[in-house]
Amino acid sequence: LAKTTQPISMDSYEGQEVNITCSHNNIATNDYITWYQQFPSQGPRFIIQGYKTKVTNEVASLFIPADRKSSTLSLPRVSLSDTAVYYCLVGAVNSNYQLIWGAGTKLIIKP
Amino acid sequence: DVKVTQSSRYLVKRTGEKVFLECVQDMDHENMFWYRQDPGLGLRLIYFSYDVKMKEKGDIPEGYSVSREKKERFSLILESASTNQTSMYLCASSLGGVAKNIQYFGAGTRLSVL
Repeated sequence: LAKTTQPISMDSYEGQEVNITCSHNNIATNDYITWYQQFPSQGPRFIIQGYKTKVTNEVASLFIPADRKSSTLSLPRVSLSDTAVYYCLVGAVNSNYQLIWGAGTKLIIKP
Repeated sequence: DVKVTQSSRYLVKRTGEKVFLECVQDMDHENMFWYRQDPGLGLRLIYFSYDVKMKEKGDIPEGYSVSREKKERFSLILESASTNQTSMYLCASSLGGVAKNIQYFGAGTRLSVL
C-alpha cells in the first residue's frame, strides 16, 4: 500500500525560498501528486498538482524526479502569511478512489 | 470561485444520537468527499461519491453512512454517535478526470460527542 512521508515541521525566514519534500516510494503509474495548504480553522486549499518533471504556477513550483518516488514543493520568497500546514496527496485520477494523504508539514515563517 | 458549504461550524451531540452533516457545492462537481481530521493523523477519507446515488467506502467508513440524492449535496450520517467520533469533519468536491484530486474544501464542522 502506498504511503507518503513528510517532515513534521520546518522553520524559515521571510524572503527565503522554502522546499518541502514528500516521499512516496510506492507511487503507482496512474497517481498524481497534489499539494495543499491549510490555515487553522479552515479547510485545505489546493496549491499545485503534477505528474512528472516540473510544474510552476503563480504561487509555487513542484519538482518531481524521473522515478517519481518523491516530490518537492518550492515556495519562493515566503512571507509570514505562508505559515501554515502543507499536505501532499498521492492518488489516481481514474476510477480508483485511492487517496494517500501525508500527515502534513507545519511550516513556521519567522520575521 | 467554487464554494463548498457545510451546514454547521460547530455541533455538540450526545452519545447515541443520530447526526446529520450536510455539504453543498455550487460548481456542478462530479466528485464529493467526506474526511475527518484529527491531530497528528492528517486527513482520513470516510466516503467518496463520484455521481448521484453512487458511493465508495474510504479508509474509515465504520460507524458512518452517506447519502447523495442530488449532485450538489452530500450528507454524512452518524447512525449512533459515539465519543470516538468527536473530530473535525471536512467535505470536499472536485471535477472528474485529471482534476479529481484538485479538491475544494468546506470550512469544516467541529463535532463534539458527549
